[in-house]
Amino acid sequence: NAGVTQTPKFRVLKTGQSMTLLCAQDMNHEYMYWYRQDPGMGLRLIHYSVGEGTTAKGEVPDGYNVSRLKKQNFLLGLESAAPSQTSVYFCASSYRGRPSNQPQHFGDGTRLSIL
Amino acid sequence: AQSVTQLGSHVSVSEGALVLLRCNYSSSVPPYLFWYVQYPNQGLQLLLKYTTGATLVKGINGFEAEFKKSETSFHLTKPSAHMSDAAEYFCAVSVDTGGFKTIFGAGTRLFVKA
Repeated sequence: NAGVTQTPKFRVLKTGQSMTLLCAQDMNHEYMYWYRQDPGMGLRLIHYSVGEGTTAKGEVPDGYNVSRLKKQNFLLGLESAAPSQTSVYFCASSYRGRPSNQPQHFGDGTRLSIL
Repeated sequence: AQSVTQLGSHVSVSEGALVLLRCNYSSSVPPYLFWYVQYPNQGLQLLLKYTTGATLVKGINGFEAEFKKSETSFHLTKPSAHMSDAAEYFCAVSVDTGGFKTIFGAGTRLFVKA
């Protein structure tokens, strides 16, 4: 049981390039999330999804887009990368039900550097 | 709106000593509270959670936390630190307001000295 898998694990981009981060979960979770982690700032929610075909903005959505075409996958896209998007990106998922008391299951992260 | 404050970005203890990581929250409605641990180059893992009921919550690896409503606190403790406890710890809060937000604290890095 792999849990939450993120690819790639590392990536270096040049300013203006685009890329897609992939998150896959095998726990049949309804809810999925994308966070960024920056030193001293904890985790900040970028976008989230409550089910296949639905997405919503989180706390810091600007410069990112997401898609949830399949229940098990949640993609995060950077259309035109900027140095301010250098960060560690985490995907998470959780069970359906009362969402607020469900713990989230995290992937190991994608370390992204924008030069 | 909810918020979480973790007191101390770094905490250092000796092996065998008490671990105390502090977390205070702000919420206008009853909160759900979580502690997560992050080891180097890994994602966050759930240590324990408080939803309702008993205010003393026991988690994995010998950790526990006590929900104190009057103090709006949810401090994490472990009686005796092990070297393997060295990691970053995050407190988090969420509520049932129809929104979908879990707020994470900035994290506390725990160092364990031999």
